[in-house]
Parts: sequence; structure tokens; C-alpha cells
Amino acid sequence: DTEVTQTPKHLVMGMTNKKSLKCEQHMGHRAMYWYKQKAKKPPELMFVYSYEKLSINESVPSRFSPECPNSSLLNLHLHALQPEDSALYLCASSQGGTGGYIQYFGAGTRLSVL
Amino acid sequence: AQSVTQLDSQVPVFEEAPVELRCNYSSSVSVYLFWYVQYPNQGLQLLLKYLSGSTLVKGINGFEAEFNKSQTSFHLRKPSVHISDTAEYFCAVSDPGNKLVFGAGTILRVKS
Repeated sequence: DTEVTQTPKHLVMGMTNKKSLKCEQHMGHRAMYWYKQKAKKPPELMFVYSYEKLSINESVPSRFSPECPNSSLLNLHLHALQPEDSALYLCASSQGGTGGYIQYFGAGTRLSVL
Repeated sequence: AQSVTQLDSQVPVFEEAPVELRCNYSSSVSVYLFWYVQYPNQGLQLLLKYLSGSTLVKGINGFEAEFNKSQTSFHLRKPSVHISDTAEYFCAVSDPGNKLVFGAGTILRVKS
């Protein structure tokens, strides 16, 4: 099973709302990732968790707050977003945090900020 | 720092014709290369990977790619495409810290 599950599939929120995106994997992977993908663009890395510790933050604005409660779960908390934050948010996981491991992607959450 | 250049933004091709999607990379460290496919409104699915060893890599759905170190290329090929291969294809390079950097993507349009 190489499944990464993301919920919800679609999310519409206002600029004053607080919402969370969830990601789950049961492959025993110890690295998990958040990517942002704008329309007609490639995914861009936002955060990496390795062994439940934040290892990479790609200078993401503080209105995005990641959380890794355990090795199977990854959350992305959203607060005071801007319309330009509307995008497809992809979660991925891999066996480890060093090079050469395949990253398995979820289907994504399509976020619209009004 | 790693970078990836996908030379074609769109590739139109007729069904059952061969196709090549081009990818060049730049890296100052060990190279791990990947091709992913993204169907509309879906996540990314791994087609194939090069980590080391044989330079000809076979993947799913009849795709293959050849790693060429002297030309810093990792072109994706399929001898005969199907309508169902219509999608966006991303070449990516990973550094030793497993940070994945994607190319801009190539949209493959298969016409009947």
C-alpha cells in the first residue's frame, strides 16, 4: 500500500477563518512533506518533517503552521490567509529524510481563499 | 543548488506514435532523478527513478528514461503513446537531504 490520504479534498475559506489540512500515511515512512502547487506551475516545497521534527521550512509565511502529531500524521494549520494562497496543497511521505528515497504524494487539497 | 529544465512546455503527438520528453538537470552533488506524472485534478504519481547503476531505467506504463551524465540529461521516452497518457509530466532532482526540485512540467497531449 503506497497511499497518502489527504482531507479535505476541497476547502473554501474566508480570510479571517482558521482551518486545517490533514495528511495520513501508514507506510511506516519517517519523512513527510507539504508542497504548494499553483495552477500551471510545478509543486514548491513548503515544509519537511523528518522523524517528527521540522527539518526544512522554505521561508513560508507564518499564516501557515505545520504540525506533526505522530509519525503517521501531518497537519497544516491555516490562519488569516490571502487570496493568493489559493492553490493545490500536496502532502508527500518517504522512508527517510536523506537523498534517493521516493516521495509518495496524496491527491491534494484544493484550497480557495475568498 | 539543484535545478531542472524541461525544454518543452507542451508536446502534441498522435496516438501510437513515439514520444520523448526532455529534461536537463544541474547538480553539484550526487544526483537522484525522478519523473512524475500528474493527471488533471490529481496528485503526482511516480513513473520512474534513477538512483545509481544502469543508465537505462524502466518505469510504469511502458515509459523509460536514460540518464546521461555527460549531457546532464534524463529524457523520458515511450515507443507508442495512448490517449490515456495525456497528462502533465514533471522531471525532478533530489539532493542528499531529499529536497525535491521540480522542472516546470511538460504537458503531453495525445491526439487520435
